Amino acid sequence: AQSVTQLDSQVPVFEEAPVELRCNYSSSVSVYLFWYVQYPNQGLQLLLKYLSGSTLVKGINGFEAEFNKSQTSFHLRKPSVHISDTAEYFCAVTPGVSGGYNKLIFGAGTRLAVHP
Amino acid sequence: NAGVTQTPKFRILKIGQSMTLQCTQDMNHNYMYWYRQDPGMGLKLIYYSVGAGITDKGEVPNGYNVSRSTTEDFPLRLELAAPSQTSVYFCASSPGPEAFFGQGTRLTVV
Repeated sequence: AQSVTQLDSQVPVFEEAPVELRCNYSSSVSVYLFWYVQYPNQGLQLLLKYLSGSTLVKGINGFEAEFNKSQTSFHLRKPSVHISDTAEYFCAVTPGVSGGYNKLIFGAGTRLAVHP
Repeated sequence: NAGVTQTPKFRILKIGQSMTLQCTQDMNHNYMYWYRQDPGMGLKLIYYSVGAGITDKGEVPNGYNVSRSTTEDFPLRLELAAPSQTSVYFCASSPGPEAFFGQGTRLTVV
């Protein structure tokens, strides 16, 4: 069975500092990987996705993530955060085409708090 | 574009009552999902559907039922509400791997 572990439940950071949110997954099949962002009292919005190809994926709002198959990781990074990046971030995985992509499995979430 | 629309946004239920959470999408997606979100637990899959007339259980289906009579609609039924069903419920749809989410329904059972 697939699972997703987000290694930090909360990450405090000062404005304009870099940030990394860590995500590891377990799966015996090829996977698709996602990061979603949830602002307070809102639904989830796709930040970026890895389906195939380049392991460095760029998303919206200046975020990027790197797929590392040997370490089964998909860490999210931003070189300089803004106050507006304060939100909860979810890593998610689903089987690749061979496994049938009909279930997204989510991590527990990481709350990013950006301080002035 | 409306995307995925959930109603109601908020609801308070008494223990033992029943209700239906509505979800509709206008993107003609085959896949639809119901998740619940509890603090510190991420999102747990309740039920999903791969097309009209086809549904299947997710991780936490107990106490819930679904139906999918059309491509657009995927209602979630709660029978005999219990305090453990207090949560935020999200409906999502997808054409493939990427899912699009509604704004959520915050349900409190008292």
